[in-house]
Amino acid sequence: GAGVSQSPSNKVTEKGKDVELRCDPISGHTALYWYRQSLGQGLEFLIYFQGNSAPDKSGLPSDRFSAERTGGSVSTLTIQRTQQEDSAVYLCASSLTGARTDTQYFGPGTRLTVL
Amino acid sequence: AQKVTQAQTEISVVEKEDVTLDCVYETRDTTYYLFWYKQPPSGELVFLIRRNSFDEQNEISGRYSWNFQKSTSSFNFTITASQVVDSAVYFCALSEGQGFSFIFGKGTRLLVKP
Repeated sequence: GAGVSQSPSNKVTEKGKDVELRCDPISGHTALYWYRQSLGQGLEFLIYFQGNSAPDKSGLPSDRFSAERTGGSVSTLTIQRTQQEDSAVYLCASSLTGARTDTQYFGPGTRLTVL
Repeated sequence: AQKVTQAQTEISVVEKEDVTLDCVYETRDTTYYLFWYKQPPSGELVFLIRRNSFDEQNEISGRYSWNFQKSTSSFNFTITASQVVDSAVYFCALSEGQGFSFIFGKGTRLLVKP
């Protein structure tokens, strides 16, 4: 079946612009995660969704970052007023129930470049 | 303080050599989970193994084996008879307590030369 998909695969934007990154999880997976992978910081957890609610937003780096999930499926990560330090690969993952015994399946990522 | 330490940033071996990737973790929780992921050049992270804190049994899966030692807070990963296709970045991760977040190590880049 289809895996986790993310769009766009690459995004180049100018400093100060807003961007939206999309994640389509595996059908039927109730849990969805966003991560950021950058050269300086490695792989960082950003936010976790269970259904449409986000019980753990602890990894969001600033209030310029927000995420939502609708219909228990698609999620959008929005970065407002982008900064150069936001340049990174943004990875999305989903799992069946969100239990830590579940396997997380990762998407290919969106490479964001802020000029 | 760094909670997951992968001290080896890059390892280079010749095909058929055995290689061990180190992972040291830090947590005060008694219940936690440890993971290894592989990130090949294509970029998608692939789950390899999960181990909970109550299960110290070592595990072998084909050429892969994992050694979990709570006494040294380590969860090391060994590839036996490495192959070129094993070339990737390998991440160790920790999920602790009641939260949902995962803490990843910085990763170890493994290069297996023919």
